[in-house]
Amino acid sequence: NAGVTQTPKFRVLKTGQSMTLLCAQDMNHEYMYWYRQDPGMGLRLIHYSVGEGTTAKGEVPDGYNVSRLKKQNFLLGLESAAPSQTSVYFCASSYREASYGYTFGSGTRLTVV
Amino acid sequence: GIQVEQSPPDLILQEGANSTLRCNFSDSVNNLQWFHQNPWGQLINLFYIPSGTKQNGRLSATTVATERYSLLYISSSQTTDSGVYFCAVFSGSARQLTFGSGTQLTVLP
Repeated sequence: NAGVTQTPKFRVLKTGQSMTLLCAQDMNHEYMYWYRQDPGMGLRLIHYSVGEGTTAKGEVPDGYNVSRLKKQNFLLGLESAAPSQTSVYFCASSYREASYGYTFGSGTRLTVV
Repeated sequence: GIQVEQSPPDLILQEGANSTLRCNFSDSVNNLQWFHQNPWGQLINLFYIPSGTKQNGRLSATTVATERYSLLYISSSQTTDSGVYFCAVFSGSARQLTFGSGTQLTVLP
């Protein structure tokens, strides 16, 4: 049971480049989330999904897009990367919205130069 | 939105010591969770504790929802307890888990 898997684990982008981060979960969870973690600021929610085919904005959605075409996958896209998007990105999933079972992936460290 | 404040921001302990981490939140919440982020960055869910007290080995947590705070106790600390401890709360109005800025714990051998 892999839980939540994020790819890639590390990436360096040049300003203006685009990329997609992939999150896959094998726990049949309905809810999936993308967070970013910056030094001294904890984790902040970028976008989330309450089920296949749905997405919603979180606290810091600007500059990101997401898609949830399949229940097990949640993609985070950066169309035109900026240095301010240098961060560690975490994906998480849960069975219910406010449940105990928040499982996090191991993170993607993204640097935009 | 809801505010989550954790204290202290940094804590250095000698192995074997006990510690208490605090989380204050600004509004009523539907749930509260404590996470440990290890030095490799992995986030581990420690407790789901919207109210009351729970214990898991050397760790225990208490949430007093009416007074809007939660405490995480670590007894007989070990070097493997090092890392960042996050409190996160879920508010129905915000429909998201909001994290505090964490407590950086360093346990020295």
